[in-house]
Amino acid sequence: GAGVSQSPSNKVTEKGKDVELRCDPISGHTALYWYRQRLGQGLEFLIYFQGNSAPDKSGLPSDRFSAERTGGSVSTLTIQRTQQEDSAVYLCASSLAQAGELFFGEGSRLTVL
Amino acid sequence: GQNIDQPTEMTATEGAIVQINCTYQTSGFNGLFWYQQHAGEAPTFLSYNVLDGLEEKGRFSSFLSRSKGYSYLLLKELQMKDSASYLCALRGSTLGRLYFGRGTQLTVWP
Repeated sequence: GAGVSQSPSNKVTEKGKDVELRCDPISGHTALYWYRQRLGQGLEFLIYFQGNSAPDKSGLPSDRFSAERTGGSVSTLTIQRTQQEDSAVYLCASSLAQAGELFFGEGSRLTVL
Repeated sequence: GQNIDQPTEMTATEGAIVQINCTYQTSGFNGLFWYQQHAGEAPTFLSYNVLDGLEEKGRFSSFLSRSKGYSYLLLKELQMKDSASYLCALRGSTLGRLYFGRGTQLTVWP
């Protein structure tokens, strides 16, 4: 596709349930990022993938959060046993190389009731 | 680690010039970015500085001083559509990871 694609665009879930958020980066982009943005806040770095290298997971807030990137393309962010404080917009971005600018998707808005 | 500081809010009038400052502290430096984010939308790239000096792109310019840990985004001939949050982002000692400031909410009045 022309841009970064994320799904679902909106997700409402109950506390304690697991959720999966998907990101399809721009074709050919080797770097992929996940960020979290709470209402009225800045972007909080979660995880970064670069090619076949081990991901930089240093931003994941707890062991309930995990992400994988299959075949160097599509990525899935999984949040287990969701909590109300997980409510936020989860933004995915990709870049052509690890030094390049980031192109963002429209985000997945997660609401945990 | 990185510490990025920018004002929370700014206001200006249509046609004016506004300068949004960003100061940072970092253990390494691999570039400073500015992004624009309209409410409810994804951030979009505006500019990139890795060397000291001014980068000009139409109505938008960005300046960097690495020795002072300082950057600014200059917006000229302001338009109503420029009302948005402006995010300063830093790539520190580790290539790839990009850290964002909390953003400056700019409101342009007619």
